[in-house]
Amino acid sequence: NAGVTQTPKFRILKIGQSMTLQCTQDMNHNYMYWYRQDPGMGLKLIYYSVGAGITDKGEVPNGYNVSRSTTEDFPLRLELAAPSQTSVYFCASRGQGAGTEAFFGQGTRLTVV
Amino acid sequence: GESVGLHLPTLSVQEGDNSIINCAYSNSASDYFIWYKQESGKGPQFIIDIRSNMDKRQGQRVTVLLNKTVKHLSLQIAATQPGDSAVYFCAESNDYKLSFGAGTTVTVRA
Repeated sequence: NAGVTQTPKFRILKIGQSMTLQCTQDMNHNYMYWYRQDPGMGLKLIYYSVGAGITDKGEVPNGYNVSRSTTEDFPLRLELAAPSQTSVYFCASRGQGAGTEAFFGQGTRLTVV
Repeated sequence: GESVGLHLPTLSVQEGDNSIINCAYSNSASDYFIWYKQESGKGPQFIIDIRSNMDKRQGQRVTVLLNKTVKHLSLQIAATQPGDSAVYFCAESNDYKLSFGAGTTVTVRA
């Protein structure tokens, strides 16, 4: 099993550009998450999904969009990149239930200039 | 806002000593409390969790203690090794929710 795979690993965007961060998991997990991690800080939840076709906002959703057309994929879309979106983005997945272990991808380091 | 936080942002430990990392939480309704380890350049990795109806759980070289009276969670690492150098996060889980605190950076001195 590959686990959770994120692409790309690094990206530099200009202000106003858009991009999609890809996330795919092969563990048939229902729950998927997108977090951002600013330097020296914890993980802040952007969006989450409890299953295909169902998504909801987390703590910091402004400037982002998501979709969940399949169980495996949970892409994160940035429409108009801003310097405040410079961060490391992590995708995670876990099975259904509060006691299930979450698995994280390796992260995408995004810089907006 | 965040309902999980850590007492100290950094911890320096002598190799071979025991480490204790602390966390305070505010959401008493959480079902599970979890510790994650994040090594440089990597995503967080699960270490151990504890259900809210327990007060202690042991793993390999790690012990998690939960004190619901004072809403306090701790991670004890026995015989700390250089490979334990990382950022440690506590998190709380309630059904689909998974919330993280700010993290403690542990540095192991040789």
